[in-house]
Amino acid sequence: AQSVTQPDIHITVSEGASLELRCNYSYGATPYLFWYVQSPGQGLQLLLKYFSGDTLVQGIKGFEAEFKRSQSSFNLRKPSVHWSDAAEYFCAVGRRRGADGLTFGKGTHLIIQP
Amino acid sequence: EPEVTQTPSHQVTQMGQEVILRCVPISNHLYFYWYRQILGQKVEFLVSFYNNEISEKSEIFDDQFSVERPDGSNFTLKIRSTKLEDSAMYFCASSEALGSAAGGGGSVPDTQYFGPGTRLTVL
Repeated sequence: AQSVTQPDIHITVSEGASLELRCNYSYGATPYLFWYVQSPGQGLQLLLKYFSGDTLVQGIKGFEAEFKRSQSSFNLRKPSVHWSDAAEYFCAVGRRRGADGLTFGKGTHLIIQP
Repeated sequence: EPEVTQTPSHQVTQMGQEVILRCVPISNHLYFYWYRQILGQKVEFLVSFYNNEISEKSEIFDDQFSVERPDGSNFTLKIRSTKLEDSAMYFCASSEALGSAAGGGGSVPDTQYFGPGTRLTVL
């Protein structure tokens, strides 16, 4: 069975600083990989996804993520964070076939300092 | 932009009562899902639904749960006899089909888009 580890429960970053959120997955084959963001009281919004091809994927709101097969990682990055980026970020993995459910990490809570 | 909608946004019920959570998936999507998120914990998969039948379910999705697509637009999750531990945020998601899978296995789902959730509180 697949699993996702987000080692950082909380991260505090100053506004304007760069950001990297870590995600490691465990899966026997090439996975589908996703990053979702959840603002307080809101649902899950897709930031970006990796299915195949270029291992550096661009998403919405200036986010990008890089799939590194050798490290089983899919870290999320943003060069300059904004106060509105404060939210919970979830990494998720899915299998490549069938209507399979996604497996989510426990999330990283991002706090933006002024 | 089309989106998944869910009703109600908040449901309060007494232990042992039945609840039905409703979802309207994105109109051209063919795959439907339910997830739950207990407060402070990660999002957990419950069930997926395709072609009018359950495609996959987790061990959480026991006999007290059922899903239905009663018409062409709604997708529901029923909890037959609620327990205190069913208190959670329940998310519906949907995805469209990408096309034929390799090896002729039929279509495969694309990205899952989530609704805003229904917060279920069991007293």
